[in-house]
Amino acid sequence: DAKTTQPPSMDCAEGRAANLPCNHSTISGNEYVYWYRQIHSQGPQYIIHGLKNNETNEMASLIITEDRKSSTLILPHATLRDTAVYYCIVRVAGGGADGLTFGKGTHLIIQP
Amino acid sequence: GAVVSQHPSRVICKSGTSVKIECRSLDFQATTMFWYRQFPKKSLMLMATSNEGSKATYEQGVEKDKFLINHASLTLSTLTVTSAHPEDSSFYICSARADRVGNSPLHFGNGTRLTVT
Repeated sequence: DAKTTQPPSMDCAEGRAANLPCNHSTISGNEYVYWYRQIHSQGPQYIIHGLKNNETNEMASLIITEDRKSSTLILPHATLRDTAVYYCIVRVAGGGADGLTFGKGTHLIIQP
Repeated sequence: GAVVSQHPSRVICKSGTSVKIECRSLDFQATTMFWYRQFPKKSLMLMATSNEGSKATYEQGVEKDKFLINHASLTLSTLTVTSAHPEDSSFYICSARADRVGNSPLHFGNGTRLTVT
């Protein structure tokens, strides 16, 4: 799986959009970008994933650059409960036999 | 959908005893489940891959005789920490996915906090 690079921490004001960047310059054509988050003392929670088109669901939006070498997770209206460590992971489709490899992620702190 | 339940959420045991942690996929069948360990302020580390009906595959450095994994059915995997020692104290998390060949995401349990005294 391709390696990803994320800033170790970010702050965002409550109610504002939180934009979390991820670099994955060595991503292959068949690798998806997945985002998970882990709130303190809980298991990781799936947020969203995509291949090359932008994606949106009830939790967030995922913007993938045209060259697919980076992406941004957007939480449109951050709340205090969004404070967590956010992990960007790339992996091939069909990799069902392989567990995910977690990096250090970005610790997002939502400020009141 | 895609709920993974883990039990217990917390356990305290004495050194030398064994502890069993259960992981269940509640609304889907999982031929493969994964076990992770997380130390304080560290990221998740994959310990082993649990395959239904066959032996687990362990990551390098993980003792298979110490961390016994059984995947008895398509909805249940167990991790037994045998002869636990204080250094085994950690946060253990399981995960599963509904399909092997697609791009569906892994879903995680809420973890088990093990403290060995």
